[in-house]
Amino acid sequence: EAGVAQSPRYKIIEKRQSVAFWCNPISGHATLYWYQQILGQGPKLLIQFQNNGVVDDSQLPKDRFSAERLKGVDSTLKIQPAKLEDSAVYLCASSTRQQNTGELFFGEGSRLTVL
Amino acid sequence: GQQLNQSPQSMFIQEGEDVSMNCTSSSIFNTWLWYKQDPGEGPVLLIALYKAGELTSNGRLTAQFGITRKDSFLNISASIPSDVGIYFCAGGNNDMRFGAGTRLTVKP
Repeated sequence: EAGVAQSPRYKIIEKRQSVAFWCNPISGHATLYWYQQILGQGPKLLIQFQNNGVVDDSQLPKDRFSAERLKGVDSTLKIQPAKLEDSAVYLCASSTRQQNTGELFFGEGSRLTVL
Repeated sequence: GQQLNQSPQSMFIQEGEDVSMNCTSSSIFNTWLWYKQDPGEGPVLLIALYKAGELTSNGRLTAQFGITRKDSFLNISASIPSDVGIYFCAGGNNDMRFGAGTRLTVKP
């Protein structure tokens, strides 16, 4: 079974530029999550999708971050404009469970460096 | 919001030793989980706990859901070099939060 696919693995941009990350969850997983992991910290939930609907985006900085999962399968996370403090690994995870019980399958992450 | 305190922050042990780490919460949780993250990888689920007092093993790993529902413990017995990595607790009530991690180093 293929795992969660993410791209790109690495991205370096200057502040105020924009960036987009892509995620393809495990086939059949209805729930998709985006987490931000700053160096030395645990993952922090940004947004949770159930199929193509948003379940929880309470911690998403909506002035600069956006995410979509239009067809209920793959998803895109965008940051525009980026700030220095956005430097982090952006992890995508998927789950078969509808509720966020924490049993997640994570991708390898996309490492963002903002200069 | 919910606060998770994970300790210790890091551990340096000799191969063959046992390891204990724990996580505490300011709130009562319905679920506790333990993940391991290797460099350049995403976290991988090790053990999931759903009932207060529950004790669950996965090979050399054993985790417990504290009876107060505000804490959880992970023990690793007879550590080996491949146990090296960062261990995260996660807990909550349908809104999982992660601890800051325990970085484990095992010296051969």
